[in-house]
Amino acid sequence: QKEVEQNSGPLSVPEGAIASLNCTYSDRGSQSFFWYRQYSGKSPELIMSIYSNGDKEDGRFTAQLNKASQYVSLLIRDSQPSDSATYLCAVPNTGGFKTIFGAGTRLFVKA
Amino acid sequence: DARVTQTPRHKVTEMGQEVTMRCQPILGHNTVFWYRQTMMQGLELLAYFRNRAPLDDSGMPKDRFSAEMPDATLATLKIQPSEPRDSAVYFCASGRDIRNTEAFFGQGTRLTVV
Repeated sequence: QKEVEQNSGPLSVPEGAIASLNCTYSDRGSQSFFWYRQYSGKSPELIMSIYSNGDKEDGRFTAQLNKASQYVSLLIRDSQPSDSATYLCAVPNTGGFKTIFGAGTRLFVKA
Repeated sequence: DARVTQTPRHKVTEMGQEVTMRCQPILGHNTVFWYRQTMMQGLELLAYFRNRAPLDDSGMPKDRFSAEMPDATLATLKIQPSEPRDSAVYFCASGRDIRNTEAFFGQGTRLTVV
């Protein structure tokens, strides 16, 4: 079992729809969870962080965390073609410094 | 504009040659990570440092890869000898010296070994 798992996709949604991206992790001691967006040929950039169970909203993005289920998700509302990218889930281990990335989910938003 | 700076951005080299990649972390960041990204493996953690000390390099092939931080403003990743399977994008990232904090990525070095 990989430490951080994501569905590689591609996930295709029409413009204006909600895109739902999922991630599971294996280290029960992890305390923080990050979502990065990576455009083709570019470096990953942080878009969301979440530390507590529940939802965290930032503009069109909502991160959801369920530590009991070891599950974190990212919702993108009103998806735009500019949201087309690979979304990476990142989870530091119990120690807090070693950050492991999932393989990423490719998202396509069709105009 | 604080950012992680990596050099070179692109490198093409012949098999067997030594490759050195450099990274300048964001000023004040004490944690530095080296990742390798390929289509097949995604982002793999090769090594990371905290306050210039290597904490974990278990992700690196020890026989050919080495990572160092000669000072707080410079991290290096060397491959000697390089092999075609080392072709990938190598990212450096830095973070504050706080547990469970986010990392900020450089633009990467695209390495091609022919």
